[in-house]
Amino acid sequence: EAQVTQNPRYLITVTGKKLTVTCSQNMNHEYMSWYRQDPGLGLRQIYYSMNVEVTDKGDVPEGYKVSRKEKRNFPLILESPSPNQTSLYFCASSPKPTRTYEQYFGPGTRLTVT
Amino acid sequence: KQEVTQIPAALSVPEGENLVLNCSFTDSAIYNLQWFRQDPGKGLTSLLLIQSSQREQTSGRLNASLDKSSGRSTLYIAASQPGDSATYLCAVNRGATNKLIFGTGTLLAVQP
Repeated sequence: EAQVTQNPRYLITVTGKKLTVTCSQNMNHEYMSWYRQDPGLGLRQIYYSMNVEVTDKGDVPEGYKVSRKEKRNFPLILESPSPNQTSLYFCASSPKPTRTYEQYFGPGTRLTVT
Repeated sequence: KQEVTQIPAALSVPEGENLVLNCSFTDSAIYNLQWFRQDPGKGLTSLLLIQSSQREQTSGRLNASLDKSSGRSTLYIAASQPGDSATYLCAVNRGATNKLIFGTGTLLAVQP
């Protein structure tokens, strides 16, 4: 089944403890991105990747890192999580980085930082 | 700065009704617009994608229209069912980075 998967789905952690949220797609998509969703603020883009080894900042990149070493994986790294990073995170992918394709989202990762 | 608004924020209808969800955007220079539904614990599901050159798209009981010049899109749901209950989000794509700018969503409840 063609899909975007994220792990873990739920995570509770403490301030400062490094964590990684994984994202993987099995559709051979070139474009991948990360969003966070917060009440009253909606979904906002954190980072995106046009292809392997090509990443760039979105609207709210502070406190996050990403890497794209393989086409299928795009992990989101929080080196020192803080409570303001408590949020619902979504990974998305699209066949090409051009603007004519549908974007597909993963099931989400709910992160709580205490 | 592009802003996307969805009205109403919440809607409750009896089963079988036809309904319309609205999406407005401030900058008409978009490449496409995508409608999603969000179910609790299940992420975002893509419903329809309308390219900027298109006026509408249909999928089953869903029909989405796009009027770029007025900055509006509507999602029409025919013969609503309780399984249609979810939050519906519209998102516009207008940048070179392929970023989606999302609306605030409409929470739909279809009563049996």
